[in-house]
Amino acid sequence: RKEVEQDPGPFNVPEGATVAFNCTYSNSASQSFFWYRQDCRKEPKLLMSVYSSGNEDGRFTAQLNRASQYISLLIRDSKLSDSATYLCVVNRYPAGTASKLTFGTGTRLQVTL
Amino acid sequence: DAGVIQSPRHEVTEMGQEVTLRCKPISGHNSLFWYRQTMMRGLELLIYFNNNVPIDDSGMPEDRFSAKMPNASFSTLKIQPSEPRDSAVYFCASIYYLNTEAFFGQGTRLTVV
Repeated sequence: RKEVEQDPGPFNVPEGATVAFNCTYSNSASQSFFWYRQDCRKEPKLLMSVYSSGNEDGRFTAQLNRASQYISLLIRDSKLSDSATYLCVVNRYPAGTASKLTFGTGTRLQVTL
Repeated sequence: DAGVIQSPRHEVTEMGQEVTLRCKPISGHNSLFWYRQTMMRGLELLIYFNNNVPIDDSGMPEDRFSAKMPNASFSTLKIQPSEPRDSAVYFCASIYYLNTEAFFGQGTRLTVV
């Protein structure tokens, strides 16, 4: 079983729609969580961190459920520019002081007119 | 700072040849990661270093792959001999400390023919 699992999509949604992505992780020792965005043929970039209390950044809301080992990302009022692949990222510290960042395979979003 | 710098950006080589990929992390960052990305498998963590010391190389697919970090400002990933199935985009990323954002280089697109 992969350490981080995501639905690969693609999710095809019209502009203005609300879309949600889910991610599950298998290692309960995971400590911190992120969503990254990757545009076609580009490097991944941080979208937002995910906190236990949930957090919001404009149209984006991220939530974490530690009991179910589940992370979500909600995008409201989708824009064409949101079209990208969204990567779920889990961080743990197996060596004590060094981060081990594990990425999901990503969920592709295509926003259309 | 110029960000994480990888070279070369593109590499085409013949099967059996040695390939060396290079990475310069952001100054002051203490962890460095090498990832490989393919359509089929997504972003796979190959190896990561903390304070120049390899922490976990369990993701390195075979003995043909090796990585070094001789100092805080330079790392290499070597494939010898290369095979067509090694064709992928190889990313290097660096991170300052636990729970902080990982910055990626632009990647090296490797094609082995």
